[in-house]
Amino acid sequence: QQQVKQSPQSLIVQKGGIPIINCAYENTAFDYFPWYQQFPGKGPALLIAIRPDVSEKKEGRFTISFNKSAKQFSLHIMDSQPGDSATYFCAARGNQFYFGTGTSLTVIP
Amino acid sequence: IAGITQAPTSQILAAGRRMTLRCTQDMRHNAMYWYRQDLGLGLRLIHYSNTAGTTGKGEVPDGYSVSRANTDDFPLTLASAVPSQTSVYFCASRHTGGEQFFGPGTRLTVL
Repeated sequence: QQQVKQSPQSLIVQKGGIPIINCAYENTAFDYFPWYQQFPGKGPALLIAIRPDVSEKKEGRFTISFNKSAKQFSLHIMDSQPGDSATYFCAARGNQFYFGTGTSLTVIP
Repeated sequence: IAGITQAPTSQILAAGRRMTLRCTQDMRHNAMYWYRQDLGLGLRLIHYSNTAGTTGKGEVPDGYSVSRANTDDFPLTLASAVPSQTSVYFCASRHTGGEQFFGPGTRLTVL
């Protein structure tokens, strides 16, 4: 059973667009929600993270929106660039980290 | 060494053979993890260790074993490899309550 559900599986946007990746969870004991960015042939790297007592967090062009009542959170990438093309994973921390299935993002120049 | 190293980078293995994937971190993190990454399934936890001398089972532990003799090393062993263990394997580490850092991965193909 997938503890964290992620969508879409893939996403193509033009440069400057705002891709949005969504995740949903069921376990209200999760206390930390990170997003990871992974380039081909590399390990995932922490991009940005949020705790459930905060509704939004921004770091540069990356924003997490968090809806505790809906048990959903999303990643927004402002002014997307070709260099943002990568696979993005959401995750949730309980007694271990649970990962979404990933979103492959392509930003077209 | 800076961060987490994994070896080998890639490996092709005959079914039934024994294989150990190596992981070393130099950050003195107490917790270490092994994940496998498969297309469409994301990252799934195989085994973990919260501190040297202890290990635990994750979501998909069958066919794998680990040991944690010291803080820095966390090898993953496939006693008798099967084709379904073809995957990319990532080692990770963190301090309790801290961020999780991943190694560069090992691509394993079992024929």
